[in-house]
Amino acid sequence: DAGVIQSPRHEVTEMGQEVTLRCKPISGHNSLFWYRQTMMRGLELLIYFNNNVPIDDSGMPEDRFSAKMPNASFSTLKIQPSEPRDSAVYFCASSPGVGGQPQHFGDGTRLSIL
Amino acid sequence: GESVGLHLPTLSVQEGDNSIINCAYSNSASDYFIWYKQESGKGPQFIIDIRSNMDKRQGQRVTVLLNKTVKHLSLQIAATQPGDSAVYFCAEGAGGANNLFFGTGTRLTVIP
Repeated sequence: DAGVIQSPRHEVTEMGQEVTLRCKPISGHNSLFWYRQTMMRGLELLIYFNNNVPIDDSGMPEDRFSAKMPNASFSTLKIQPSEPRDSAVYFCASSPGVGGQPQHFGDGTRLSIL
Repeated sequence: GESVGLHLPTLSVQEGDNSIINCAYSNSASDYFIWYKQESGKGPQFIIDIRSNMDKRQGQRVTVLLNKTVKHLSLQIAATQPGDSAVYFCAEGAGGANNLFFGTGTRLTVIP
């Protein structure tokens, strides 16, 4: 079975550029989560969706970050404009959408902003 | 000033020994707990979970213990192998909510 698929695996770009991270959740999962992981702050929840609707975006750092889920099989996390402090590993996870179920993570996108 | 990263607790064990990784949680309302393993360059991988109506659950070579009285969770790995070397995270959820709250993690190193 295919797990959560993220692309790209690595992204290096210059500050000020727009960055778009992509995620395909596990088929049939109704909840999707975006996380950011850094050495300084560990694993942080940025936003999560239920049935394609954003439920909690309180973890989104600032207006430069936006996330969309146009359908049940695709989500994007966009940073515009990007800054060096956005450098991190970004993970997408999905779960069946019922409480008390494990989230399944993709292998992440390692983002470096120069 | 100098930046300081998270200081992960570390645990080093000899291959073949048993490992115990501990986690404290603070939310009394949490009723779902889960352990993840994260290897370098990969996303967290689900290991085992437990609900608050249980105090022990066993998987293959792993056991999770839950002590709600002192809000403590532990992961026991039997006969630890080099492939078990990773960072282990506990996470908690509450009230049927989908989101989980993750701990800072413990780095397990297995010495051959």
